[in-house]
Amino acid sequence: AQSVTQPDIHITVSEGASLELRCNYSYGATPYLFWYVQSPGQGLQLLLKYFSGDTLVQGIKGFEAEFKRSQSSFNLRKPSVHWSDAAEYFCAVSYTGGFKTIFGAGTRLFVKA
Amino acid sequence: DAGVIQSPRHEVTEMGQEVTLRCKPISGHDYLFWYRQTMMRGLELLIYFNNNVPIDDSGMPEDRFSAKMPNASFSTLKIQPSEPRDSAVYFCASSLQGTDTQYFGPGTRLTVL
Repeated sequence: AQSVTQPDIHITVSEGASLELRCNYSYGATPYLFWYVQSPGQGLQLLLKYFSGDTLVQGIKGFEAEFKRSQSSFNLRKPSVHWSDAAEYFCAVSYTGGFKTIFGAGTRLFVKA
Repeated sequence: DAGVIQSPRHEVTEMGQEVTLRCKPISGHDYLFWYRQTMMRGLELLIYFNNNVPIDDSGMPEDRFSAKMPNASFSTLKIQPSEPRDSAVYFCASSLQGTDTQYFGPGTRLTVL
């Protein structure tokens, strides 16, 4: 079955430090890949997505992600984390010919001063 | 556009009562999704519609749950009778295509006493 794995349930980083959140998806047809962010008390909001083309994708709030087909990964990165980035981050995947998106379990990011 | 609209934002009810959650998707979006989010189970897809037709309701936990989409601008999720274990945040999301970006509403926090 198609699946998305986010190995880290939670991560703590210091403000100003770099961040990488991991995401792996099960092999399938050409994937469409997404990262969403959920702030407390709110719905999910799209950070970035990859459909095709350049495998390094830029998103909002200074985030980027790199699609690596050989590793079935789509890791999210940010060079310098701000306290306002504390939230839960969801990786998601859908496939051509499919009709729904599969979400990972989420990684909660804590930012310390 | 106002985005996806959900009502009510908060609902507190007693066990055995009927609960109806409402959703207005973004105009022009052909897909509508209902999710449930809890600490224990994370984000679960309950059901989704395409052009007002239910496509996959395999995530609906029990017969107590039902969903309808009478027209392109309105959907309901009903729980009858409600139980304490139904307490969760329920999200509605819509998208242009099933595999494309989903736009989430702010959610309805349901508490069943």
